[in-house]
Amino acid sequence: AQKVTQAQTEISVVEKEDVTLDCVYETRDTTYYLFWYKQPPSGELVFLIRRNSFDEQNEISGRYSWNFQKSTSSFNFTITASQVVDSAVYFCALRAGGTSYGKLTFGQGTILTVHP
Amino acid sequence: GAGVSQSPSNKVTEKGKDVELRCDPISGHTALYWYRQSLGQGLEFLIYFQGNSAPDKSGLPSDRFSAERTGGSVSTLTIQRTQQEDSAVYLCASSLGAGGPAHEQYFGPGTRLTVT
Repeated sequence: AQKVTQAQTEISVVEKEDVTLDCVYETRDTTYYLFWYKQPPSGELVFLIRRNSFDEQNEISGRYSWNFQKSTSSFNFTITASQVVDSAVYFCALRAGGTSYGKLTFGQGTILTVHP
Repeated sequence: GAGVSQSPSNKVTEKGKDVELRCDPISGHTALYWYRQSLGQGLEFLIYFQGNSAPDKSGLPSDRFSAERTGGSVSTLTIQRTQQEDSAVYLCASSLGAGGPAHEQYFGPGTRLTVT
C-alpha cells in the first residue's frame, strides 16, 4: 500500500521568508514517482514537479526547489523568498510503478499562507 | 491548448436524486482519472480509464457510483440516489498515458456537488 504524509497542516509566513513543506512517503515499489501540486484559492490543482525514484538529483526552478532523499523517504519542497501569490494548499503525491495504473495517492495537504 | 474541462462547475441536488458529472480531457490524452476531494477524506482516487476501459475501479465508494468513457474522450461519472456524504468536489484528470515516467496528470477545475 502507498501512503503519503504531510505532517504540517498549516504554515503561516511573512512575505520574503523561506518556507519548507515536508513530505514523507511509504511504498514497497522499487520504481515510483513523486509529485507536488499546488491548489490556489481558485481550486484547480496545478502540477509543479515530478521526480522519479531512480533520480535523486535535487531540482531548482526559480524560487522553488525540491529535495528528494530516498534514505529518509522524503520529498520536501522549499519556496525561497515567499510571495503572497504562493498562498495555496500544496499536495505531495505518490504514484507507484508496475500495475498501479497511474493513480495518485495524495497527502493531506499543507495550507500555506503568506502574509504581506 | 485547452486543458481539462468539467461540467457543471457547481451542482446542488436533493438527497435521493441521480447526478451526472462530465469531464472533457486534454485532446490526445488516453488516460483519464476521477478523484474526489472532501474535507474529511482529502483527495481520493475513484476510477481510472485507459481508452474506454476502466481497469481500476477500486476507489468507487459504493455501487451507487459508476462511470463511463466514450470515444476515448469524454467521461461521465454518475451517482445514483445521492446521499449527503457524497457532497464533495469531484476532480477529473488526464494524462498522455498511465505507466510511463513522464505521464503527469493534469486536473480540471472540478465539480462541486452539494447534496441537500
